[in-house]
Amino acid sequence: EVQLVQSGAEMKKPGESLKISCKASGYNFDIYWIGWVRHVPGKGLEWMAIIYPEDSETTYSPSLQGLVTISADTSMNTAYLEWSSLRASDSATYFCARSEAGIGTGFFDFWGQGTVVTVSS
Amino acid sequence: SVLTQPPSVSGAPGQSVTISCTGASSDFDVHWYQHLPGAAPKFLIYGNYNRPSGVPDRFSGSKSGTSAFLAISGLQAEDEGVYYCQSYDSSLGGSAWVFGGGTKVTVL
Repeated sequence: EVQLVQSGAEMKKPGESLKISCKASGYNFDIYWIGWVRHVPGKGLEWMAIIYPEDSETTYSPSLQGLVTISADTSMNTAYLEWSSLRASDSATYFCARSEAGIGTGFFDFWGQGTVVTVSS
Repeated sequence: SVLTQPPSVSGAPGQSVTISCTGASSDFDVHWYQHLPGAAPKFLIYGNYNRPSGVPDRFSGSKSGTSAFLAISGLQAEDEGVYYCQSYDSSLGGSAWVFGGGTKVTVL
């Protein structure tokens, strides 16, 4: 059974760093893309970044390039999303999700349960 | 978003509703997700009209040119939630996955 299990809720202050995780099981982690999608209540879903764990090829949303870092550890079957300096506007629920393709016809067939990130002074 | 959806649609139980998604590239497929309150998004339709196993045949998708559609027939209370279309865009100064703004389905 394919499962994506994300790390727990986080409460941070502006300017702090954060790394959230997404542990995969039930399939060959290396050869499926993992993406991150954020949800702000009332604002819909926003695709952020995607990575191919086998060779760490990454693509970022043009609007988020440089603001977050996506990575993957194939030995741990885990993908990560990292911020070096959080802003209040980063408060959202973050979902990881799996895809067979990184571009073109890709879609997310399995999703993690979500990680709530709250950034407030 | 480059994909435009109506903010909301509604229907009585048993009725049908259709959600549009305009602005998609004719070169790329459109996919659909259901996002119920408090849950992770659920994969509903892929490749414009294909249903994954386990998705009821009350849900159907179609695409014509740059517009895609999700139809829900026999509306049920459990269908109430937000529905998103998703595709790919290579014109945003870079390549990007894109979601529509979402359509809230209300069962009256």
